[in-house]
Order: sequence, then structure tokens, then C-alpha cells
Amino acid sequence: LAKTTQPISMDSYEGQEVNITCSHNNIATNDYITWYQQFPSQGPRFIIQGYKTKVTNEVASLFIPADRKSSTLSLPRVSLSDTAVYYCLVGDAHYKLSFGAGTTVTVRA
Amino acid sequence: NAGVTQTPKFRVLKTGQSMTLLCAQDMNHEYMYWYRQDPGMGLRLIHYSVGEGTTAKGEVPDGYNVSRLKKQNFLLGLESAAPSQTSVYFCASSYSREGGKQPQHFGDGTRLSIL
Repeated sequence: LAKTTQPISMDSYEGQEVNITCSHNNIATNDYITWYQQFPSQGPRFIIQGYKTKVTNEVASLFIPADRKSSTLSLPRVSLSDTAVYYCLVGDAHYKLSFGAGTTVTVRA
Repeated sequence: NAGVTQTPKFRVLKTGQSMTLLCAQDMNHEYMYWYRQDPGMGLRLIHYSVGEGTTAKGEVPDGYNVSRLKKQNFLLGLESAAPSQTSVYFCASSYSREGGKQPQHFGDGTRLSIL
């Protein structure tokens, strides 16, 4: 089971880019890297997933270096509504995934 | 399309009482999961199911039982509630193919207080 490490919290301002780096030194060959977002009083919501290099969707970008020992979630031009907890998960099967404490991102006006 | 629906949304129990939390999904997903989330912590897997009629233990299964009699439903039972089980409970579901590549879809949680 790959262990992940990510910052406890990050502060930002509206319009800025937020980058959250997750370390996963013992990632296995078959593991995918998945990020979820959780707002207060709601269940987590899938944001983005990748295996290597770069993945981009309408919400975020995910950068994964060649050694795959870390990954960076990039949120472009954040707004107040992006204030949430962001979880980095690594694994090849859902029942092996572990949601750590996540990173609490606070966006200020 | 409702996705994952959890009932009830809130519940207060007394120590020793029993109850069942219901999770229903309408996406024809094979896999279903029950998590608990305590203040300031991430989600911890209680039990999961890889198909109708099958269940397995997760990270924190003690004090809970589950059943998956129908593909669309996953029930979580507390036989004798304890204050340590005060938590927010989340249910999730996903497709089975390609393992961890398939995203999980979560309900909005059940807030359970044990007095």
C-alpha cells in the first residue's frame, strides 16, 4: 500500500494558481494517482487521475515526473468556491486506497 | 440520475442501540464501499463489496456488519452502538474494471451521534 504525504494546509487568494504536491515514494508499477476534492458536509468528488506525465481536464492539471515518486495537482485561477480539502490517493485497487488527512486549501478574497 | 443516495442523513442513537444505514446506487456499479470520517481526519474504509452477495473487511471493520443482497444496495449495520462510533459515514461505488483507475462516486454522508 503506497503511503502518501501532502501538506496539511495551503492558503491562496482568488485568481492565483494553487499547486499541491503529494509524495508517494513507494508507488508500485500498477498504481494510479487520483485526486479528490471534498467540500464541507459533502462526500469527496473525483477531480483528476493520471499514471505518468501530464493530464489536464476542465478543472485541474496533474503533473507526474518520470520516476512517479510525487505528483502535483495544479488548480488554475482559484476562486472562493475552490476552498476545500484535497486528497491524493495512490493504488491499483479501490479497496487498497487510503484517504489521508488531505490538504485543506483556503482561498481568500 | 441520483448517483449514490444515503439514508438517513442524520441520526442520534443511545449507547447499545442498533441501526442500519442504507446506501443505494443507480449506476449499475459492481463495487461499493463504506467509510467513516472523524473530525480532522480522512476517510477510513470500514467494509467493501466487489459484487452482489460478497463483502470484505476494510481498515476499521470492528463493531460493524454489512450486507449486499442486491447489486444496487449496500447496508451498514451497528449491532450495539458505542460513542466511539460517532462519525460521518460515507458510502461510495465504482465500476470494477481496471481496478483503481475507476473513480469512486460518493454519497453526501450520514451524520451519526451516539450518546
